[in-house]
Amino acid sequence: DQQVKQNSPSLSVQEGRISILNCDYTNSMFDYFLWYKKYPAEGPTFLISISSIKDKNEDGRFTVFLNKSAKHLSLHIVPSQPGDSAVYFCAASAEGGGADGLTFGKGTHLIIQP
Amino acid sequence: DVKVTQSSRYLVKRTGEKVFLECVQDMDHENMFWYRQDPGLGLRLIYFSYDVKMKEKGDIPEGYSVSREKKERFSLILESASTNQTSMYLCASGNSLLEHNEQFFGPGTRLTVL
Repeated sequence: DQQVKQNSPSLSVQEGRISILNCDYTNSMFDYFLWYKKYPAEGPTFLISISSIKDKNEDGRFTVFLNKSAKHLSLHIVPSQPGDSAVYFCAASAEGGGADGLTFGKGTHLIIQP
Repeated sequence: DVKVTQSSRYLVKRTGEKVFLECVQDMDHENMFWYRQDPGLGLRLIYFSYDVKMKEKGDIPEGYSVSREKKERFSLILESASTNQTSMYLCASGNSLLEHNEQFFGPGTRLTVL
């Protein structure tokens, strides 16, 4: 049973436009949501996160939106740049679950076209 | 600068061999994790540890064991490697005090079992 779902395996966006990556979850115990970015042959790097008590968190070009009632979150990147081409993983954890590991989605491969 | 290192970037082993993957972190984190990443499956948690000599099974522990003799070091052991264990192995560390339970990942070990 997949608790964190990224239904788009890939997404192609033109440079300068907005990239929107989506993520759905089923476990209502999740309290924290994170986005990681991964380049080939490298480990994932933490990008941005949000607590379930918030509905938006912004960091530069990256904004994460959380709709708790719909169990849905999205990552917005604006404007998209060539260096944003990577695989993006959505992840979730429960409060106090820092010791228990993260539950990851399958990832979305974002391709930024010039 | 935070750092998680893994002993090998690439490893080729034969079926039946015993394989050790080493991971070291320099952030004094209590929690350490082993994941594997496979195309179309995302990151899946194998084992984790929240303290020295403590270990817990993740989602896919079969065929693996772990060792944590020192706080900074977490080893993943494949007792008898099989071809279905060919994968990218990612080590991570974290601390329950970190905001949103974020984890820091190593660069990964690409293991091929022939």
